[in-house]
Amino acid sequence: DAGVIQSPRHEVTEMGQEVTLRCKPISGHNSLFWYRQTMMRGLELLIYFNNNVPIDDSGMPEDRFSAKMPNASFSTLKIQPSEPRDSAVYFCASSLRDSSNQPQHFGDGTRLSIL
Amino acid sequence: AQSVTQLGSHVSVSEGALVLLRCNYSSSVPPYLFWYVQYPNQGLQLLLKYTTGATLVKGINGFEAEFKKSETSFHLTKPSAHMSDAAEYFCAVSGPRGGSYIPTFGRGTSLIVHP
Repeated sequence: DAGVIQSPRHEVTEMGQEVTLRCKPISGHNSLFWYRQTMMRGLELLIYFNNNVPIDDSGMPEDRFSAKMPNASFSTLKIQPSEPRDSAVYFCASSLRDSSNQPQHFGDGTRLSIL
Repeated sequence: AQSVTQLGSHVSVSEGALVLLRCNYSSSVPPYLFWYVQYPNQGLQLLLKYTTGATLVKGINGFEAEFKKSETSFHLTKPSAHMSDAAEYFCAVSGPRGGSYIPTFGRGTSLIVHP
């Protein structure tokens, strides 16, 4: 079975540019999560969706960040405008549902570098 | 609210030696606990999970963890380390947040295996 697919794997862009990260969750999973991983802060939950609806976006750092899930098989995380402090690895994860005993399945991440 | 503390950001062992990675949690409800492993340039993968029932949980690659409610601990062990076990290990506790069950991750422990 295909796992969670993220694209691009690497992104290098200049400060001020718009960045769009993409995620395809595992088919049949109805919960989707976006995380950011840095050395300083570890793994941070940015936002999560249930059945394509955003449930909690309290982890989104600023208004420059936005996320959408137009259908069950696709989600985007957008940063506009980007800043050097946004440099991190961004992970998408999905799970069968947001219940207590369901593990998350992670993609391989997008390594983002803002110059 | 729930939280996870992983003791030791780095653990170093010799190949063939016992591996012990420590995790303590706090949770306002009966906890659901997970260990994940992250290899370089990859996402997190589930090693094992505790939901209810047997307190000793066996996972993949010879790892196991024991849930000790009195100590609020869920330490990860492996009798004999292999070079391929070198990776980052994350403990997570799943608990209610905004009407859903969302995992909270520890900061991670880097396992270093010496030949």
